[in-house]
Amino acid sequence: ETGVTQSPTHLIKTRGQQVTLRCSSQSGHNTVSWYQQALGQGPQFIFQYYREEENGRGNFPPRFSGLQFPNYSSELNVNALELDDSALYLCASSLDRQTTYIQYFGAGTRLSVL
Amino acid sequence: AQTVTQSQPEMSVQEAETVTLSCTYDTSENNYYLFWYKQPPSRQMILVIRQEAYKQQNATENRFSVNFQKAAKSFSLKISDSQLGDTAMYFCAFMTALYNNNDVRFGAGTRLTVKP
Repeated sequence: ETGVTQSPTHLIKTRGQQVTLRCSSQSGHNTVSWYQQALGQGPQFIFQYYREEENGRGNFPPRFSGLQFPNYSSELNVNALELDDSALYLCASSLDRQTTYIQYFGAGTRLSVL
Repeated sequence: AQTVTQSQPEMSVQEAETVTLSCTYDTSENNYYLFWYKQPPSRQMILVIRQEAYKQQNATENRFSVNFQKAAKSFSLKISDSQLGDTAMYFCAFMTALYNNNDVRFGAGTRLTVKP
């Protein structure tokens, strides 16, 4: 157990809908990174949040957005869902933005878009 | 751009035997980190081993060791005395050591099956 929890574990949405995924970081960690893992592929970096602000973003469109709260938990929001958004979404927390090389992953949220 | 390539989509090994998973990467950076992560059916990504590029000595963690060849940009994982619990997807990953870098690049993974 890493102490990083994600909810929900599974989610089914239809195309065009909006979804919010949640992540609670490990105690004492102020940095959360989000990844998308399509079936049969490795995770792809979406963005990172540090102390409630976005701290870097991968090659994802603006309809992928996030939030980080004062307790350092985080949300990933996806608007206008597309079929290709079906994937496992992983979050990972690290002690600080400078220590992303030591990060702990949650078990992910499996999103299916129909 | 940094890329990570795992050329073995699937591998299998007999219990108690040794297996080596391959990984190559491409970067123009000199300082970086390399990782092997394990993802069992539970989906949680677990760090197996980490190597800092400035360290010439290969990292080891119990039954897991790496062969880091910086000039060849190769980073293979050796699992000794394979156990049934080692069955999982294994991902090689890369991250530069630049200030405030946060982008970890993953390979496509190798599915390892340990047979009894």
